[in-house]
Amino acid sequence: SAVISQKPSRDICQRGTSLTIQCQVDSQVTMMFWYRQQPGQSLTLIATANQGSEATYESGFVIDKFPISRPNLTFSTLTVSNMSPEDSSIYLCSVSGRSGAVGETQYFGPGTRLLVL
Amino acid sequence: TQLLEQSPQFLSIQEGENLTVYCNSSSVFSSLQWYRQEPGEGPVLLVTVVTGGEVKKLKRLTFQFGDARKDSSLHITAAQPGDTGLYLCAGHTNAGKSTFGDGTTLTVKP
Repeated sequence: SAVISQKPSRDICQRGTSLTIQCQVDSQVTMMFWYRQQPGQSLTLIATANQGSEATYESGFVIDKFPISRPNLTFSTLTVSNMSPEDSSIYLCSVSGRSGAVGETQYFGPGTRLLVL
Repeated sequence: TQLLEQSPQFLSIQEGENLTVYCNSSSVFSSLQWYRQEPGEGPVLLVTVVTGGEVKKLKRLTFQFGDARKDSSLHITAAQPGDTGLYLCAGHTNAGKSTFGDGTTLTVKP
């Protein structure tokens, strides 16, 4: 399985500010995803981070609010822009396709716990 | 939209009891994963099942994939407090994305 790290692990932010979350994988992967999760609940996919092109966003999520970068096959960032208390959540990075093949099992980072005051 | 229904949503049992969590869909998946997530951590993969009718055992955990690859179950024998956590099933398609169930929060009391 891939080893995935996220920075920061947690943060407390003021409303109106922005936070960039980093995701680093120990090997090249085909697919990288960003999820949001409320404690004790299931995962909601925000977007698929595409290497070298714009991310693909799910319904209800837009690039202006959640800009994503993926400069290479091992790194991605998610920015939560102009934050409000409703953005308080756990943000998870996930990867699949460690061997380069699409359709493999997803693995998850430890998550970033965000609290917006 | 592919949906995965998990049941029960919450489960609180005593140490030593057995339990089963179900994951059902009207869609066919190429594979299905079960994850366990503990507070403060990301989901950790427990198993992947890919063949209809497949049964996999991981110590006290038994996973089954339905013959039609639309449903799955997780059975835990003699549950222990260390089994406490959020259990998530995820159906996977070759399109590269997973559909996650709503999750089952399991509490095992000593």
